[in-house]
Amino acid sequence: KAGVTQTPRYLIKTRGQQVTLSCSPISGHRSVSWYQQTPGQGLQFLFEYFSETQRNKGNFPGRFSGRQFSNSRSEMNVSTLELGDSALYLCASSLEGQEYEQYFGPGTRLTVT
Amino acid sequence: ILNVEQSPQSLHVQEGDSTNFTCSFPSSNFYALHWYRWETAKSPEALFVMTLNGDEKKKGRISATLNTKEGYSYLYIKGSQPEDSATYLCASLMRGSYIPTFGRGTSLIVHP
Repeated sequence: KAGVTQTPRYLIKTRGQQVTLSCSPISGHRSVSWYQQTPGQGLQFLFEYFSETQRNKGNFPGRFSGRQFSNSRSEMNVSTLELGDSALYLCASSLEGQEYEQYFGPGTRLTVT
Repeated sequence: ILNVEQSPQSLHVQEGDSTNFTCSFPSSNFYALHWYRWETAKSPEALFVMTLNGDEKKKGRISATLNTKEGYSYLYIKGSQPEDSATYLCASLMRGSYIPTFGRGTSLIVHP
């Protein structure tokens, strides 16, 4: 069974631009969560999608948004990028009813210059 | 403790040494604790899920214990090998939520 995949793996953007990151969950997993990791910080929860609906949201500004498609693939969008958005963005997927057991992708490394 | 805290932040050991690190978490409304192993440029890999006070789990040379009353978990690695070099993350879940709170991790480097 293929694992969680994220594209692209690396990305360089300029302040003020916007960016879209993609996550394909493990087949059969309908819940997708997104996390941000900045240097020296633990993984910070951004949001979780289930069945095309945002079910949980972390404490991030509205510039961070996401969506989920009918095939459970998810995208995360950051608008008006700031230098502080430079981070590793991880997504994780899980089975319905087993959301506590998450399987992570390798992450997208975003650098904002 | 309001957050999940891990110590030490980093650790350098020699091949063959045994080592251990700590994860402290809020003990109230505790549901589960996860340990992950995260190698650079790879996905975090689940090691253990622990739920019961006094739980002990083992996978090869790696084992973990859990004390939910005082809010801590230990991860032990016996006879460290260079391939054990990674960041070890713990994440705590509270009852009623499946959104984990992660610690900042312990970076382990095993020197040959």
